Amino acid sequence: AQSVAQPEDQVNVAEGNPLTVKCTYSVSGNPYLFWYVQYPNRGLQFLLKYITGDNLVKGSYGFEAEFNKSQTSFHLKKPSALVSDSALYFCAVSPNYGGSQGNLIFGKGTKLSVKP
Amino acid sequence: GAGVSQSPSNKVTEKGKDVELRCDPISGHTALYWYRQSLGQGLEFLIYFQGNSAPDKSGLPSDRFSAERTGGSVSTLTIQRTQQEDSAVYLCASSAGGGWSYGYTFGSGTRLTVV
Repeated sequence: AQSVAQPEDQVNVAEGNPLTVKCTYSVSGNPYLFWYVQYPNRGLQFLLKYITGDNLVKGSYGFEAEFNKSQTSFHLKKPSALVSDSALYFCAVSPNYGGSQGNLIFGKGTKLSVKP
Repeated sequence: GAGVSQSPSNKVTEKGKDVELRCDPISGHTALYWYRQSLGQGLEFLIYFQGNSAPDKSGLPSDRFSAERTGGSVSTLTIQRTQQEDSAVYLCASSAGGGWSYGYTFGSGTRLTVV
């Protein structure tokens, strides 16, 4: 079965420190991977995606993610965390490939808390 | 509109009642998705509409759940005979024809509470 795992329910980071939010996946074929962020009482916002090409993907708000095929991981990173980065982060994978669309499979989410 | 609009933003209903949740996607977006977000459970796919094609209903948890999309635009998710386990935030998303390659735009959701 195709799935996404976010092993940490919560990540705590001090402002100014680097942050990592972990994501691993299990999918047949070549994966298409996404990160979304959800602020309180808001819908999910797209951060970045990996479709093909460079394994390091840069996205919104200074976030980046590295696709590692051998470790089946797509960890979200930021060099210097801000208090305003505190939110719920979701990793997602497309179960389809080869040009078709369809639903994304989401992880359970990781709550990021950045303290001043 | 500029974004995906969902209404109502909050709904409290009594167990056994029917509810309707509405989603107005971004104008011109051909794909529309419904997800359910339960505490600690992440996002659960419910149903997917693409243009005039038959919807992908594979995620609907029971026959109490149904959805329609009129005129390729507005969608309504209906839950009949609501149960307490239906309490969740119901999220709608739309995307341009490329689906995942363009990413989804999500609405702010409808928080459903069944008492």
